[in-house]
Amino acid sequence: DTEVTQTPKHLVMGMTNKKSLKCEQHMGHRAMYWYKQKAKKPPELMFVYSYEKLSINESVPSRFSPECPNSSLLNLHLHALQPEDSALYLCASSQMDRSYEQYFGPGTRLTVT
Amino acid sequence: AQSVAQPEDQVNVAEGNPLTVKCTYSVSGNPYLFWYVQYPNRGLQFLLKYITGDNLVKGSYGFEAEFNKSQTSFHLKKPSALVSDSALYFCAVRPGALRGSTLGRLYFGRGTQLTVWP
Repeated sequence: DTEVTQTPKHLVMGMTNKKSLKCEQHMGHRAMYWYKQKAKKPPELMFVYSYEKLSINESVPSRFSPECPNSSLLNLHLHALQPEDSALYLCASSQMDRSYEQYFGPGTRLTVT
Repeated sequence: AQSVAQPEDQVNVAEGNPLTVKCTYSVSGNPYLFWYVQYPNRGLQFLLKYITGDNLVKGSYGFEAEFNKSQTSFHLKKPSALVSDSALYFCAVRPGALRGSTLGRLYFGRGTQLTVWP
């Protein structure tokens, strides 16, 4: 199984709402990633967890709060977002080996109104 | 500094013709190179990778890529394009020299939109 799942597929939220994005993988990968992607642009790295610990935070605003409850799950908690945060949010996972080949989920299309 | 360049925003090719999507890179240490494809409103799908060994790498859906160390290039190729190959293609590199700040990090090119017409 080389699948990374993400829920929900679509999310519309107001600027005062609190919501969460979820990501799950059952490949035994010990690194998990959150990316933000605008249309026709490359993914931008937001956070990296390795062995359930936050190892990279790309200076992401605090209105985005990641959480890694266990080695299979990754959450992204959203609060007080801005319209410019509207994007496709991608989760990925990888082994901690030489290649770090990343497997991506289908993404959550987020719209902030 | 680590970087990946995809010099063409758009590549157009007729179905049945060969296609090439170009990628050059600049990284610390030996590079680990990847190609991903993205269809509209979908995540990125892994196509192929170069880690070490044979410079010609074969991947999914008939795609292949050639690693050229002297030209620091990793161009994606397919001998005969299909209309269904039309998508956004990303080249990515991971530096071979692992440090805390680069751990697992991929550096992406800006993407190349491939259009294959019938």
